[in-house]
Amino acid sequence: DAEITQSPRHKITETGRQVTLACHQTWNHNNMFWYRQDLGHGLRLIHYSYGVHDTNKGEVSDGYSVSRSNTEDLPLTLESAASSQTSVYFCASSEGQAKNFGPGTRLTVT
Amino acid sequence: QQQVKQSPQSLIVQKGGISIINCAYENTAFDYFPWYQQFPGKGPALLIAIRPDVSEKKEGRFTISFNKSAKQFSLHIMDSQPGDSATYFCAASRGRDDKIIFGKGTRLHILP
Repeated sequence: DAEITQSPRHKITETGRQVTLACHQTWNHNNMFWYRQDLGHGLRLIHYSYGVHDTNKGEVSDGYSVSRSNTEDLPLTLESAASSQTSVYFCASSEGQAKNFGPGTRLTVT
Repeated sequence: QQQVKQSPQSLIVQKGGISIINCAYENTAFDYFPWYQQFPGKGPALLIAIRPDVSEKKEGRFTISFNKSAKQFSLHIMDSQPGDSATYFCAASRGRDDKIIFGKGTRLHILP
C-alpha cells in the first residue's frame, strides 16, 4: 500500500544546530506540504511544493527551508534550530484537494 | 490574519449525544471545506469534506452543514461514541491542488 513516512519520529537537538526532517511518500503525488502543530495554533503551513524543483513559502516559513529533487521526498531543514521551533511537524502529500498526512516528528530544541 | 476560525476549543459530550463544531471563513475564493480527525500521536486524517455548491453532506454519523451566505460551516456528529474522542480540524482551500488552511482545532471528549 502507498504511504507517507517521516523520520525521525522523535528528535532532541540543541539551539543553533542544523536539523533535517525527512518526508517520503510512495503515492507518487506531485504536491507535498510541511505543517507544524502547536497547542492553541492548530496546524500552520511552513513550506509546500507542487512538483520537482518547485518550492513555496507558507505562513510560518522563517528559519526553515525545503528542497525537492524528486517526486517522493521533501526534506525540511532548520538552518539554526531555535527553542521556538520545538513542535510536532507533519508532512502531507496530495493529488487533488484531499491530503494524506504522515505520522509526525516531535522535535525538541533545548 | 486567521482565515478559518473554529469553535469551541474543547467540547465534552455525553455518549449518544450530538457533537457540534463550528467554523467560519473569510476568503470567498475557498471552494473546498474538509474536516480532519486526529487521534493522539497520529497525523490528521480526512473525515469528510464539502464543496460550496451543496448545503449539506452526510457520511454515516457525520454531517457537514454549509451556509455560503454566512461563510460558515459546521460538523455534526450524531450518536457520539467514546471512540469519536479526538481533535477535529476544519479547513479550507481554493483550487484543486492548493494548500489547506486549518482552523485551530477542537478537542472533543465523549463521556462513556
